[in-house]
Amino acid sequence: DAKTTQPNSMESNEEEPVHLPCNHSTISGTDYIHWYRQLPSQGPEYVIHGLTSNVNNRMASLAIAEDRKSSTLILHRATLRDAAVYYCILRDGSGSGGGADGLTFGKGTHLIIQP
Amino acid sequence: GAVVSQHPSWVICKSGTSVKIECRSLDFQATTMFWYRQFPKQSLMLMATSNEGSKATYEQGVEKDKFLINHASLTLSTLTVTSAHPEDSSFYICSTRGRDTEAFFGQGTRLTVV
Repeated sequence: DAKTTQPNSMESNEEEPVHLPCNHSTISGTDYIHWYRQLPSQGPEYVIHGLTSNVNNRMASLAIAEDRKSSTLILHRATLRDAAVYYCILRDGSGSGGGADGLTFGKGTHLIIQP
Repeated sequence: GAVVSQHPSWVICKSGTSVKIECRSLDFQATTMFWYRQFPKQSLMLMATSNEGSKATYEQGVEKDKFLINHASLTLSTLTVTSAHPEDSSFYICSTRGRDTEAFFGQGTRLTVV
């Protein structure tokens, strides 16, 4: 899986939007952009994923740059329960081994939410 | 999304004993499951890939004789830490792939070897 770069930590206030950036300049055409988050002492939780178009779900939105070399996870209204480590991961979605390999986790972004 | 159940959530064992961790896929059949390990303040590291009905594939540096993986059915994979030592104390997490390319994770097992 191609490498991603994220800030080590970010801080935001409760009930405000949060924009978590991720750079992936070496992304290939078949790489999906995945976001997971890990709350303390829990396994990671799937948040969202996309390929080229922006995506929305009940948890978050994913904005993907036109050249796909960066993306931003958007939490529209952060709560204290959103405090977690957020991981941006590229995953090959092609037929050859796509999804058959484990994920390569970087250090992620530690999101701190202030009340 | 898929539901993955991992048991136990925590375990304390004596040095030299073995510990078994179970990972169940509750709502779909998982031909492949993944096992990760996470040390304090570090990220998850893939240990091995478990394939139903065949031998597991281990990542470099992971001892296959120490970390025994069994994937006898499409809904259950087990990881046995044999002859555990304090340095094996870690957070072990299993995962399976959803119907798309997303992954779903168990709750994790905190192993403490004393």
